[in-house]
Amino acid sequence: AAGVIQSPRHLIKEKRETATLKCYPIPRHDTVYWYQQGPGQDPQFLISFYEKMQSDKGSIPDRFSAQQFSDYHSELNMSSLELGDSALYFCASSLTGTGDSPLHFGNGTRLTVT
Amino acid sequence: AQTVTQSQPEMSVQEAETVTLSCTYDTSESDYYLFWYKQPPSRQMILVIRQEAYKQQNATENRFSVNFQKAAKSFSLKISDSQLGDAAMYFCAYRSGETSGSRLTFGEGTQLTVNP
Repeated sequence: AAGVIQSPRHLIKEKRETATLKCYPIPRHDTVYWYQQGPGQDPQFLISFYEKMQSDKGSIPDRFSAQQFSDYHSELNMSSLELGDSALYFCASSLTGTGDSPLHFGNGTRLTVT
Repeated sequence: AQTVTQSQPEMSVQEAETVTLSCTYDTSESDYYLFWYKQPPSRQMILVIRQEAYKQQNATENRFSVNFQKAAKSFSLKISDSQLGDAAMYFCAYRSGETSGSRLTFGEGTQLTVNP
């Protein structure tokens, strides 16, 4: 079965640079979620989109922005990168945006800021 | 806001034995869902089992089962016949059933070691 696809798998950036992470949800899934997981920590919710509209917002810095496109893929744009942004970034997708549909996670993008 | 608490940062079990991971949550909602996710060293997040709050029957998936105590807001995971491949970080998670596109809120995680 098709899974959530994230690209790139690894990304190395320098401080103050910009990064773009991409997420391709499972076909027919209409909700996308972004999470940030620091070393030894649980995943922290950043933002979600349902039918291309922002549906929920968590602890996402103002330096970050995201959107969901007409084909339901999503991009997380990160500017003015800081060392503390180094983390594993997960994208997840679900169907219809209801609690009954579990979130399916991609393999994550490991971002390293030097 | 909903919170999820896992009070056991680390647990260990002998291969073939049974282990129970604890989880408590706090919510004022009546419609919600609970999940256990597994994160092996590969860091992939894998759904293990889920429970709908309106169901009294505890969910079971092969060697994995839950003990859902709604009044106590407790949701523990029991792993039977533990295998080496069960070694991972286990996260308990809560999701509201009352709003569309609701986030998944995770507990702090329990690192499970399986000893041969």
